[in-house]
Amino acid sequence: SQQGEEDPQALSIQEGENATMNCSYKTSINNLQWYRQNSGRGLVHLILIRSNEREKHSGRLRVTLDTSKKSSSLLITASRAADTASYFCATDSNYQLIWGAGTKLIIKP
Amino acid sequence: GAGVSQSPRYKVAKRGQDVALRCDPISGHVSLFWYQQALGQGPEFLTYFQNEAQLDKSGLPSDRFFAERPEGSVSTLKIQRTQQEDSAVYLCASSTDPPYGYTFGSGTRLTVV
Repeated sequence: SQQGEEDPQALSIQEGENATMNCSYKTSINNLQWYRQNSGRGLVHLILIRSNEREKHSGRLRVTLDTSKKSSSLLITASRAADTASYFCATDSNYQLIWGAGTKLIIKP
Repeated sequence: GAGVSQSPRYKVAKRGQDVALRCDPISGHVSLFWYQQALGQGPEFLTYFQNEAQLDKSGLPSDRFFAERPEGSVSTLKIQRTQQEDSAVYLCASSTDPPYGYTFGSGTRLTVV
């Protein structure tokens, strides 16, 4: 059973533009994590935001968390062709990660 | 090792065959997880180990699935009498305890024909 829902399911933008993906979840969490997955490859951990944090930055990534709305967003600034991948949010409530179905991001050169 | 290593990378099994998937976690990582990922979906939790103890196996879809981690390092996920619906990518992840993010292996793509 999947808790998270990513929105949009697919996103296609021009290189250099910003990409925003959203994630909603259902239950209380300890933290929320974002992962990237290139086609046919494993998941790469991008960033973790704890339930008592509202915003976090890592390089070109910016994550926000609104626990009252049970939602999070991932912003990738100045996108590059190499950012083309699927992006998943995962909520961690008690060691078990619950995942959404992902957003497929395509960066057009 | 530097990362989580899974083998084999690809496995084709005939329906009814038993398979064993191996996961070699990052050295020193206490926690180990198995996930199943169907095409176009997010991963689904299968089972969790803390050292050699299997603390949660609630995600295993049937009693044909069995996982072990006898010495608290390498883990094996075994699927008996494979069925077509078992076709998926099986992902292994490890972490410290408490975790700060999880490190995933590249997965084993199982195809049951």
